Amino acid sequence: AQKVTQAQTEISVVEKEDVTLDCVYETRDTTYYLFWYKQPPSGELVFLIRRNSFDEQNEISGRYSWNFQKSTSSFNFTITASQVVDSAVYFCALSEADGAQKLVFGQGTRLTINP
Amino acid sequence: DSGVTQTPKHLITATGQRVTLRCSPRSGDLSVYWYQQSLDQGLQFLIQYYNGEERAKGNILERFSAQQFPDLHSELNLSSLELGDSALYFCASSNPAGAGTDTQYFGPGTRLTVL
Repeated sequence: AQKVTQAQTEISVVEKEDVTLDCVYETRDTTYYLFWYKQPPSGELVFLIRRNSFDEQNEISGRYSWNFQKSTSSFNFTITASQVVDSAVYFCALSEADGAQKLVFGQGTRLTINP
Repeated sequence: DSGVTQTPKHLITATGQRVTLRCSPRSGDLSVYWYQQSLDQGLQFLIQYYNGEERAKGNILERFSAQQFPDLHSELNLSSLELGDSALYFCASSNPAGAGTDTQYFGPGTRLTVL
């Protein structure tokens, strides 16, 4: 069975600090996909990144970076120089490659950036 | 704006009633997914349709049903509503070309309150 664990329920930092959100996953599949979504206070789910299991290259997009390590089954997300607008709930999710393409979500991490 | 639309945005109803939630996928997307977000269960996959056919089922109650119409919009029907059905219901769409997982883009959600 697939499972995603986001052990950090809430994180609070001061603006401009760097912050890392942890994500650990479990799957028996050799091919799978990992995602991060952002849910701001307005409630919608915003797609941030998708990674397949064969691509372990880290990715950077502006202040956002992602570290994928198959050896530890982790897909962590780092925000550099955080801003108040980064305040949101962040979800990590996993999907298998074949059959049901449902997303299995972690419980989410509520990130609060204080001015 | 993801391009996925959901109506209504808010719905307040009483126990025992029936409601219909509507979703229009992004232009060109063939797959529609429904998810439920509640405080106790988190984000859970309910059901997937692909080009009008049911493709996968998750933790969907028997009181709930869905369909996807020829124009690819989808409806989620919830009947004999209970207090515990109060939640945020998301629709997502994607366009998987075959095997593999495409990114799911989420609508703004419908917040259902059962009184």
